[in-house]
Amino acid sequence: RKEVEQDPGPFNVPEGATVAFNCTYSNSASQSFFWYRQDCRKEPKLLMSVYSSGNEDGRFTAQLNRASQYISLLIRDSKLSDSATYLCVVITDYGQNFVFGPGTRLSVLP
Amino acid sequence: GAGVSQSPRYKVAKRGQDVALRCDPISGHVSLFWYQQALGQGPEFLTYFQNEAQLDKSGLPSDRFFAERPEGSVSTLKIQRTQQEDSAVYLCASSSQGYSGSSYNEQFFGPGTRLTVL
Repeated sequence: RKEVEQDPGPFNVPEGATVAFNCTYSNSASQSFFWYRQDCRKEPKLLMSVYSSGNEDGRFTAQLNRASQYISLLIRDSKLSDSATYLCVVITDYGQNFVFGPGTRLSVLP
Repeated sequence: GAGVSQSPRYKVAKRGQDVALRCDPISGHVSLFWYQQALGQGPEFLTYFQNEAQLDKSGLPSDRFFAERPEGSVSTLKIQRTQQEDSAVYLCASSSQGYSGSSYNEQFFGPGTRLTVL
């Protein structure tokens, strides 16, 4: 089983739709969690950190459930510019490296 | 200001050839990371430097892969005797301080080097 798994995608949604991505991680010692966004043939960029209490940034909401080892990202009122691959990232307390999930591709259609 | 830069952006190598990939991190960033990203996959960790010290190289897939950061700024990832399975995008990232166990600094990624081994 991979250390970080994500919804396989792709997700094709119309503009204005609400879409949710799920991510699960296997290491219960994981301490920090993030969502990165990667546009086609570009480098990953930090979208948002994920805090235990959940956090919101505009149209984006991230949730963490430590008991179920599960992270989610909700995008409301999706825009064409939201089309990208969304990468779930986990850091464990025994290492300094980021463990990336395989990514979920989102296409927002006009 | 300038972000992370990598060179070359594209590299085509014949199987068995040695290659060297360069990363210029953001000035003053202490931590530097190398990742390998295969098509359709997320980046996979290769190695991590704090200043000139290579603190973790657990992700390097074989002893053909070698990374260095001799002066704590520019880093080079070298792949000896390249194989077709080495074809991927190699990403470099830097951050302003190391992971302390309770705090995190955002990793800024370079554009990557796309390596194709024929």
